[in-house]
Amino acid sequence: NAGVMQNPRHLVRRRGQEARLRCSPVKGHSHVYWYRQLPEEGLKFMVYLQKENIIDESGMPKERFSAEFPKEGPSILRIQQVVRGDSAAYFCASSLADSNQPQHFGDGTRLSIL
Amino acid sequence: DQQVKQNSPSLSVQEGRISILNCDYTNSMFDYFLWYKKYPAEGPTFLISISSIKDKNEDGRFTVFLNKSAKHLSLHIVPSQPGDSAVYFCAASARSNSGYALNFGKGTSLLVTP
Repeated sequence: NAGVMQNPRHLVRRRGQEARLRCSPVKGHSHVYWYRQLPEEGLKFMVYLQKENIIDESGMPKERFSAEFPKEGPSILRIQQVVRGDSAAYFCASSLADSNQPQHFGDGTRLSIL
Repeated sequence: DQQVKQNSPSLSVQEGRISILNCDYTNSMFDYFLWYKKYPAEGPTFLISISSIKDKNEDGRFTVFLNKSAKHLSLHIVPSQPGDSAVYFCAASARSNSGYALNFGKGTSLLVTP
């Protein structure tokens, strides 16, 4: 009865490196949302994916950020050539269907850029 | 642009008394509203929700009130308990290109003192 699983919980990268964040949704959920929380801020929508499809990535910076949700395996949020401003908590949420249902969140990945 | 606003960054309440957390929104298209509770280093946990066709929803000690004309909702916790101490996020959604992506406020930190 696992909920949304995110790993790693903490990730430290140097400027210019790549960060790869993973999210396994609740079993049976095929809709995944990624959010970013900066210090003292609320969560902000980044990208919405269904299996093998990016539905909306309007909240994600156009450069250096990408996301995928393959047919098999977890959803991946990839940040290339990280900069200090990428330091944040990244949360993944999943839902069962494309409808008004509460989204279930993972515990997040805290990304720190040195 | 912040479409969901929680104007009180913090609130302190005595155990046994009522906690009232407030939230305002600007987008009249929002039709589903949620409250999430968040502890440090954890993901948001769903607490209670309300559809725009209702003005009240109750679940145990938690009640959410929605005033659509004022674009305002509130969360009442009664009686408050020390374990309720956490950050509470108000969120709203509407069907859009990004599915039902949530728009979050910045949160209110609730402290319930014995």
